[in-house]
Amino acid sequence: AQSVAQPEDQVNVAEGNPLTVKCTYSVSGNPYLFWYVQYPNRGLQFLLKYITGDNLVKGSYGFEAEFNKSQTSFHLKKPSALVSDSALYFCAVRGAYSGAGSYQLTFGKGTKLSVIP
Amino acid sequence: DGGITQSPKYLFRKEGQNVTLSCEQNLNHDAMYWYRQDPGQGLRLIYYSQIVNDFQKGDIAEGYSVSREKKESFPLTVTSAQKNPTAFYLCASSRTDSQYSSYNEQFFGPGTRLTVL
Repeated sequence: AQSVAQPEDQVNVAEGNPLTVKCTYSVSGNPYLFWYVQYPNRGLQFLLKYITGDNLVKGSYGFEAEFNKSQTSFHLKKPSALVSDSALYFCAVRGAYSGAGSYQLTFGKGTKLSVIP
Repeated sequence: DGGITQSPKYLFRKEGQNVTLSCEQNLNHDAMYWYRQDPGQGLRLIYYSQIVNDFQKGDIAEGYSVSREKKESFPLTVTSAQKNPTAFYLCASSRTDSQYSSYNEQFFGPGTRLTVL
């Protein structure tokens, strides 16, 4: 069965500093990985995904993620954090086949990012 | 939050009542999903549907029911059998109509916060 781990419940970073939110995964077969962001009392917004190809994936709002197959990791990164980046971040992996060509997503428990002015 | 709407934003339920949460999408997506979010637990799948008039149980379906009479709509009923329904409920949808549909991200609505009085 597929699983995702986000080892840090909370990450604090100073504004302007680089940020990293960690994610490790366990899958059978090729991993298809996603990052989402959630602002308070809102739905999840898609940031980026890794399917195949370049290990560095670029996404929305200046975020990027590095896929590392040997370490089974997919860490989210941003070179310079903004206060507005403060939110809850979820890593997800493609999970069980749902039929009709679609798959479920298995989510991590989320990491709260706080960017300190 | 894309083309997915959820209503109401806040919902209060008395003990023993059934309540229905609305989810509508105008993205022409075939697949729709319901998740429950509790603090520190990430997202857990309640029900999903790949096509009209068909749906399957997710990981925590007990105490919930759904219908899919129209492609655009996927309402969730929280029944009195659900013993701990207080949570944030998220609806999502995704494409299934391309050869790469298994790579497609899910799009989320803004959520409904349900509180039991």
